[in-house]
Amino acid sequence: SQKIEQNSEALNIQEGKTATLTCNYTNYSPAYLQWYRQDPGRGPVFLLLIRENEKEKRKERLKVTFDTTLKQSLFHITASQPADSATYLCALDPGGSYIPTFGRGTSLIVHP
Amino acid sequence: DAGVIQSPRHEVTEMGQEVTLRCKPISGHNSLFWYRQTMMRGLELLIYFNNNVPIDDSGMPEDRFSAKMPNASFSTLKIQPSEPRDSAVYFCASSTKRTGVDEQYFGPGTRLTVT
Repeated sequence: SQKIEQNSEALNIQEGKTATLTCNYTNYSPAYLQWYRQDPGRGPVFLLLIRENEKEKRKERLKVTFDTTLKQSLFHITASQPADSATYLCALDPGGSYIPTFGRGTSLIVHP
Repeated sequence: DAGVIQSPRHEVTEMGQEVTLRCKPISGHNSLFWYRQTMMRGLELLIYFNNNVPIDDSGMPEDRFSAKMPNASFSTLKIQPSEPRDSAVYFCASSTKRTGVDEQYFGPGTRLTVT
């Protein structure tokens, strides 16, 4: 079965720097990969989707890359702000069903 | 649109009691998903419906859990009898796509505590 690995340790960075979060998966390459943001006490909120034939996708200060050779997606937030502090989840197609499987998420803390 | 609505937001119950969680998806969305989130296991898919029909319930942990979707605007997740290990945050999500490959819209969740 597909395994999804996100760093369980919180990422602490200074305001203005670029935050980079990692999502690694095992086995077969998924048809797509999504990134969600989750704030404490709230449900996840969709941010970006990238498909297997796409290398990179951008949305404002967000950038996602998808490397099927490394079996890895990187999620970047440029010019980070304290308001970007949250847990970021990656989700991917586990194979054929197109119903996403979620990683455990990585907490990002941006210090002013 | 009010988004996905879940009730109650918090539920505290004693072991052995029946618990019913409710969800109203976004109008026009034809797929509905129930998830459970814990620190230990993260976010797990329990069941999903398409056009009110259960498509995959392989994530439902055991027979104590059941879910229904009597119409396009309402779904319930029932636990009977409840156990302390069921304590978690339960999320409902809806989507316009049958396969969920596009974005899912999550509700605020129901925090369930079983004592």
